[in-house]
Amino acid sequence: AQSVTQPDIHITVSEGASLELRCNYSYGATPYLFWYVQSPGQGLQLLLKYFSGDTLVQGIKGFEAEFKRSQSSFNLRKPSVHWSDAAEYFCAVGPRGGSYIPTFGRGTSLIVHP
Amino acid sequence: DVKVTQSSRYLVKRTGEKVFLECVQDMDHENMFWYRQDPGLGLRLIYFSYDVKMKEKGDIPEGYSVSREKKERFSLILESASTNQTSMYLCASRPGHSNQPQHFGDGTRLSIL
Repeated sequence: AQSVTQPDIHITVSEGASLELRCNYSYGATPYLFWYVQSPGQGLQLLLKYFSGDTLVQGIKGFEAEFKRSQSSFNLRKPSVHWSDAAEYFCAVGPRGGSYIPTFGRGTSLIVHP
Repeated sequence: DVKVTQSSRYLVKRTGEKVFLECVQDMDHENMFWYRQDPGLGLRLIYFSYDVKMKEKGDIPEGYSVSREKKERFSLILESASTNQTSMYLCASRPGHSNQPQHFGDGTRLSIL
Protein backbone atom coordinates (compact mmCIF):
# COMPACT_ATOMS: atom_id res chain seq x y z
CA ALA A 1 0.00 0.00 0.00
CA GLN A 2 1.20 3.48 -0.77
CA SER A 3 2.01 5.91 2.01
CA VAL A 4 3.33 9.42 2.46
CA THR A 5 5.39 10.70 5.38
CA GLN A 6 5.98 14.33 6.19
CA PRO A 7 8.43 14.02 9.09
CA ASP A 8 8.12 17.61 10.30
CA ILE A 9 4.85 18.62 11.93
CA HIS A 10 5.99 22.24 12.36
CA ILE A 11 8.82 24.22 10.82
CA THR A 12 9.82 27.73 11.85
CA VAL A 13 11.93 29.94 9.60
CA SER A 14 12.83 33.60 9.49
CA GLU A 15 11.57 35.74 6.66
CA GLY A 16 14.11 35.72 3.85
CA ALA A 17 15.63 32.40 4.88
CA SER A 18 15.57 29.33 2.65
CA LEU A 19 13.04 26.57 3.17
CA GLU A 20 12.95 22.83 2.62
CA LEU A 21 9.93 20.71 3.52
CA ARG A 22 10.44 16.98 3.47
CA CYS A 23 8.22 14.36 1.90
CA ASN A 24 8.96 10.65 1.73
CA TYR A 25 6.71 8.14 0.01
CA SER A 26 6.29 4.43 -0.31
CA TYR A 27 5.04 3.22 -3.67
CA GLY A 28 5.73 0.24 -5.89
CA ALA A 29 6.15 2.06 -9.18
CA THR A 30 6.82 5.57 -10.37
CA PRO A 31 4.32 7.71 -8.49
CA TYR A 32 2.49 10.86 -9.30
CA LEU A 33 3.49 13.45 -6.71
CA PHE A 34 1.89 16.70 -5.64
CA TRP A 35 2.48 19.52 -3.20
CA TYR A 36 -0.48 21.57 -2.01
CA VAL A 37 -0.64 24.63 0.24
CA GLN A 38 -3.49 25.53 2.57
CA SER A 39 -3.65 29.09 3.88
CA PRO A 40 -5.68 29.67 7.06
CA GLY A 41 -9.38 29.30 6.43
CA GLN A 42 -8.88 28.18 2.85
CA GLY A 43 -8.98 24.98 0.84
CA LEU A 44 -5.90 23.38 -0.68
CA GLN A 45 -4.18 24.96 -3.65
CA LEU A 46 -1.85 23.07 -5.95
CA LEU A 47 1.77 24.29 -5.81
CA LEU A 48 3.32 21.81 -8.22
CA LYS A 49 3.12 18.26 -9.54
CA TYR A 50 5.46 15.60 -10.88
CA PHE A 51 4.40 12.89 -13.31
CA SER A 52 7.52 12.09 -15.29
CA GLY A 53 10.50 13.68 -17.02
CA ASP A 54 12.64 16.34 -15.43
CA THR A 55 13.01 15.55 -11.76
CA LEU A 56 13.22 19.22 -10.75
CA VAL A 57 9.77 20.73 -10.94
CA GLN A 58 8.92 24.41 -10.78
CA GLY A 59 5.70 25.57 -9.24
CA ILE A 60 3.80 28.68 -8.34
CA LYS A 61 4.81 31.28 -5.73
CA GLY A 62 8.53 30.57 -6.32
CA PHE A 63 8.45 26.98 -5.05
CA GLU A 64 10.24 24.02 -6.55
CA ALA A 65 10.51 20.33 -5.70
CA GLU A 66 12.92 17.58 -6.63
CA PHE A 67 11.95 13.97 -7.19
CA LYS A 68 14.67 11.59 -5.98
CA ARG A 69 13.75 8.02 -6.80
CA SER A 70 16.69 6.53 -4.91
CA GLN A 71 15.59 8.26 -1.71
CA SER A 72 11.82 7.98 -2.32
CA SER A 73 11.58 11.68 -1.65
CA PHE A 74 9.90 14.72 -3.12
CA ASN A 75 11.11 17.66 -1.03
CA LEU A 76 9.71 21.15 -1.48
CA ARG A 77 12.08 24.12 -1.52
CA LYS A 78 12.00 27.88 -1.69
CA PRO A 79 15.14 30.04 -1.69
CA SER A 80 13.67 32.97 0.25
CA VAL A 81 10.54 32.71 2.37
CA HIS A 82 7.99 35.52 2.63
CA TRP A 83 5.68 36.09 5.60
CA SER A 84 2.73 35.21 3.33
CA ASP A 85 4.13 31.69 2.91
CA ALA A 86 2.99 30.83 6.45
CA ALA A 87 0.51 28.01 5.85
CA GLU A 88 -0.01 24.25 6.00
CA TYR A 89 1.74 22.23 3.30
CA PHE A 90 0.62 18.81 2.13
CA CYS A 91 2.46 16.28 0.03
CA ALA A 92 0.35 13.73 -1.87
CA VAL A 93 1.19 10.60 -3.86
CA GLY A 94 -0.93 8.72 -6.38
CA PRO A 95 -2.39 6.70 -7.81
CA ARG A 96 -4.05 4.28 -5.48
CA GLY A 97 -5.75 1.60 -7.44
CA GLY A 98 -7.71 2.09 -10.62
CA SER A 99 -9.48 5.16 -9.31
CA TYR A 100 -6.29 7.18 -9.08
CA ILE A 101 -7.07 8.36 -5.57
CA PRO A 102 -4.09 10.18 -4.05
CA THR A 103 -2.83 9.61 -0.52
CA PHE A 104 -2.04 12.71 1.50
CA GLY A 105 0.61 13.23 4.12
CA ARG A 106 -0.36 14.67 7.49
CA GLY A 107 0.94 18.10 6.62
CA THR A 108 3.68 20.45 7.77
CA SER A 109 2.80 23.76 9.36
CA LEU A 110 5.16 26.55 8.32
CA ILE A 111 5.66 29.44 10.73
CA VAL A 112 7.50 32.51 9.44
CA HIS A 113 9.17 34.90 11.87
CA PRO A 114 9.68 38.52 10.80
CA ASP B 1 -10.47 28.76 -13.39
CA VAL B 2 -12.14 25.81 -11.71
CA LYS B 3 -14.47 26.79 -8.94
CA VAL B 4 -15.49 24.38 -6.22
CA THR B 5 -18.09 25.92 -3.94
CA GLN B 6 -19.11 24.57 -0.57
CA SER B 7 -22.45 25.88 0.57
CA SER B 8 -21.43 26.84 4.11
CA ARG B 9 -18.15 28.02 5.64
CA TYR B 10 -19.36 27.43 9.18
CA LEU B 11 -22.16 25.21 10.42
CA VAL B 12 -23.38 24.39 13.92
CA LYS B 13 -25.71 21.46 14.45
CA ARG B 14 -26.96 19.35 17.33
CA THR B 15 -26.29 15.72 18.15
CA GLY B 16 -28.68 13.40 16.34
CA GLU B 17 -29.56 15.84 13.57
CA LYS B 18 -29.32 14.86 9.92
CA VAL B 19 -26.78 17.19 8.33
CA PHE B 20 -26.26 17.97 4.66
CA LEU B 21 -23.04 19.45 3.29
CA GLU B 22 -23.25 20.59 -0.31
CA CYS B 23 -20.54 20.97 -2.90
CA VAL B 24 -20.82 22.30 -6.44
CA GLN B 25 -18.16 22.43 -9.16
CA ASP B 26 -18.39 24.35 -12.42
CA MET B 27 -15.91 22.52 -14.67
CA ASP B 28 -17.82 19.39 -15.67
CA HIS B 29 -15.44 17.19 -13.69
CA GLU B 30 -16.32 13.52 -13.44
CA ASN B 31 -14.64 12.88 -10.10
CA MET B 32 -15.63 14.43 -6.81
CA PHE B 33 -14.35 13.79 -3.30
CA TRP B 34 -15.24 14.45 0.33
CA TYR B 35 -12.43 14.66 2.87
CA ARG B 36 -12.33 15.26 6.57
CA GLN B 37 -9.43 17.29 7.97
CA ASP B 38 -8.39 17.08 11.61
CA PRO B 39 -5.24 18.50 13.25
CA GLY B 40 -2.34 16.07 13.03
CA LEU B 41 -4.28 13.63 10.88
CA GLY B 42 -4.14 15.38 7.52
CA LEU B 43 -6.85 14.69 4.96
CA ARG B 44 -8.84 11.49 5.24
CA LEU B 45 -11.07 10.40 2.39
CA ILE B 46 -14.69 9.81 3.33
CA TYR B 47 -16.26 9.10 -0.07
CA PHE B 48 -15.37 9.39 -3.71
CA SER B 49 -17.70 9.67 -6.70
CA TYR B 50 -16.37 8.86 -10.15
CA ASP B 51 -19.56 9.77 -12.02
CA VAL B 52 -23.22 10.61 -11.52
CA LYS B 53 -24.87 8.16 -9.12
CA MET B 54 -21.55 6.30 -8.72
CA LYS B 55 -19.66 6.27 -5.45
CA GLU B 56 -16.94 4.44 -3.58
CA LYS B 57 -16.20 4.34 0.11
CA GLY B 58 -13.04 5.98 1.23
CA ASP B 59 -11.04 5.36 4.37
CA ILE B 60 -13.58 6.57 6.95
CA PRO B 61 -17.13 6.19 5.56
CA GLU B 62 -18.80 5.15 8.82
CA GLY B 63 -21.55 7.56 9.85
CA TYR B 64 -21.63 9.24 6.45
CA SER B 65 -23.41 8.81 3.15
CA VAL B 66 -23.27 10.72 -0.12
CA SER B 67 -25.48 11.65 -3.02
CA ARG B 68 -24.57 12.58 -6.59
CA GLU B 69 -27.70 13.08 -8.65
CA LYS B 70 -26.15 15.67 -10.96
CA LYS B 71 -22.61 15.85 -12.26
CA GLU B 72 -21.85 19.22 -10.72
CA ARG B 73 -23.16 18.52 -7.22
CA PHE B 74 -21.87 16.13 -4.55
CA SER B 75 -23.56 16.06 -1.16
CA LEU B 76 -22.23 14.63 2.08
CA ILE B 77 -24.84 13.46 4.59
CA LEU B 78 -24.33 12.86 8.27
CA GLU B 79 -27.22 10.52 9.02
CA SER B 80 -27.26 11.20 12.77
CA ALA B 81 -24.63 13.73 13.74
CA SER B 82 -22.36 12.98 16.66
CA THR B 83 -19.84 15.15 18.49
CA ASN B 84 -16.92 13.16 17.05
CA GLN B 85 -17.93 14.39 13.61
CA THR B 86 -16.98 17.94 14.56
CA SER B 87 -14.34 18.72 11.97
CA MET B 88 -13.34 20.59 8.82
CA TYR B 89 -14.84 19.06 5.69
CA LEU B 90 -13.26 19.62 2.30
CA CYS B 91 -14.76 18.89 -1.10
CA ALA B 92 -12.63 18.41 -4.21
CA SER B 93 -13.15 17.69 -7.90
CA ARG B 94 -10.96 16.39 -10.72
CA PRO B 95 -11.36 15.50 -14.39
CA GLY B 96 -11.96 11.81 -15.18
CA HIS B 97 -10.05 8.77 -14.03
CA SER B 98 -6.77 10.55 -14.20
CA ASN B 99 -3.61 11.63 -12.54
CA GLN B 100 -4.67 15.26 -12.68
CA PRO B 101 -4.55 17.28 -9.46
CA GLN B 102 -7.68 17.94 -7.45
CA HIS B 103 -9.36 21.30 -7.06
CA PHE B 104 -10.56 22.05 -3.55
CA GLY B 105 -13.32 24.12 -2.04
CA ASP B 106 -12.66 26.40 0.93
CA GLY B 107 -14.07 23.92 3.41
CA THR B 108 -16.96 23.75 5.86
CA ARG B 109 -16.12 23.91 9.54
CA LEU B 110 -18.81 21.82 11.19
CA SER B 111 -19.47 21.85 14.93
CA ILE B 112 -21.78 19.27 16.48
CA LEU B 113 -23.02 20.27 19.93
